[in-house]
Amino acid sequence: GAVVSQHPSRVICKSGTSVKIECRSLDFQATTMFWYRQFPKKSLMLMATSNEGSKATYEQGVEKDKFLINHASLTLSTLTVTSAHPEDSSFYICSARGGGVNEQYFGPGTRLTVT
Amino acid sequence: DAKTTQPPSMDCAEGRAANLPCNHSTISGNEYVYWYRQIHSQGPQYIIHGLKNNETNEMASLIITEDRKSSTLILPHATLRDTAVYYCIVRVGGSQGNLIFGKGTKLSVKP
Repeated sequence: GAVVSQHPSRVICKSGTSVKIECRSLDFQATTMFWYRQFPKKSLMLMATSNEGSKATYEQGVEKDKFLINHASLTLSTLTVTSAHPEDSSFYICSARGGGVNEQYFGPGTRLTVT
Repeated sequence: DAKTTQPPSMDCAEGRAANLPCNHSTISGNEYVYWYRQIHSQGPQYIIHGLKNNETNEMASLIITEDRKSSTLILPHATLRDTAVYYCIVRVGGSQGNLIFGKGTKLSVKP
């Protein structure tokens, strides 16, 4: 299957700072990218969907000004958690779809801990 | 909301077939059934998907009932590395629809 990478795999930041997470599709052009969040022992929750060159579409209850998503190229999307707070601590997972393939491929996830 | 119902957990002996059921009684005619699994602290891994015919690949088989209201994922010879949470997902909106995850089934493969 296609390969999706995320960076960093783990990050610890202080409350009030911003954190950027990168998601890359390594062997295909991702026309659509997705960002999910997963709390411990819970399922994945879709946060937003972004198409290359367009503004992201956020799911209900997800603050677009807090979770900034940029999908400027067909291989890169970034999620910036602004003014992070401890309740933002979670496992963030990106997913990508494109290249004529309808399956979504997931990245390995980024563990964010806000202290 | 997820449109599927799965048992929260199952056990399977190593080397035996693991049969994971999923109910999706409200599925519509153009909605696909997808299966993903998530090993602890990793991103989900695609397993298989189908519309109405049974499907098989190198990882698993997918059996969909004729009325499409339920399906079963079969791992023919489970190994300890197959221990994971398995998600059955009905893809709303056709082949371009989003994947909405439910709670999944925690499969524990035991020696």
